[in-house]
Amino acid sequence: RKEVEQDPGPFNVPEGATVAFNCTYSNSASQSFFWYRQDCRKEPKLLMSVYSSGNEDGRFTAQLNRASQYISLLIRDSKLSDSATYLCVVWQGGKLIFGQGTELSVKP
Amino acid sequence: DAGVIQSPRHEVTEMGQEVTLRCKPISGHDYLFWYRQTMMRGLELLIYFNNNVPIDDSGMPEDRFSAKMPNASFSTLKIQPSEPRDSAVYFCASSLGLAEFTGELFFGEGSRLTVL
Repeated sequence: RKEVEQDPGPFNVPEGATVAFNCTYSNSASQSFFWYRQDCRKEPKLLMSVYSSGNEDGRFTAQLNRASQYISLLIRDSKLSDSATYLCVVWQGGKLIFGQGTELSVKP
Repeated sequence: DAGVIQSPRHEVTEMGQEVTLRCKPISGHDYLFWYRQTMMRGLELLIYFNNNVPIDDSGMPEDRFSAKMPNASFSTLKIQPSEPRDSAVYFCASSLGLAEFTGELFFGEGSRLTVL
């Protein structure tokens, strides 16, 4: 079993849609969780941290369910510029472990 | 401000050749990471350094791979001899502190390696 698993995608959605990405992690001792964004042929960049109580940053909402070892990212009112790959990241074993990413394509 | 700088951006080489990838971290950052990204395996941590000292190299695939950090502003990842399965994008990243709580690694633009 992979340490961090994500929906493979791609997700193709129209502008204005709400889209949700899921991620599961294998190590129940993991303490810190994050979402990164990676544009096509670019480097990954931190999008937001994920807190136990859930947190919001504009149109983006991240949630954590420790009991189920599950992390989610919700994007509301999606924009063309949201098209990218979204990487779920978990702090585990003294290092950041990246999921393989979910590709999002927002169409006009 | 200058970010993490990697070179070369692209390299095409033949099987058996030596490849050296270079990285200059952000000034003042005390951690440096080398990652490899492929379609099949995603982003994998190869090795990381703290204050120029290698801390965890468990991700280095085999003896053909080696990494050094002779000073705080420079690191190399060397593959000798290279094989077609080494084709990937190699990212260098740096951080201030271990990033356990911030999660923030600053990545370079990557070195895209193709081994024929």
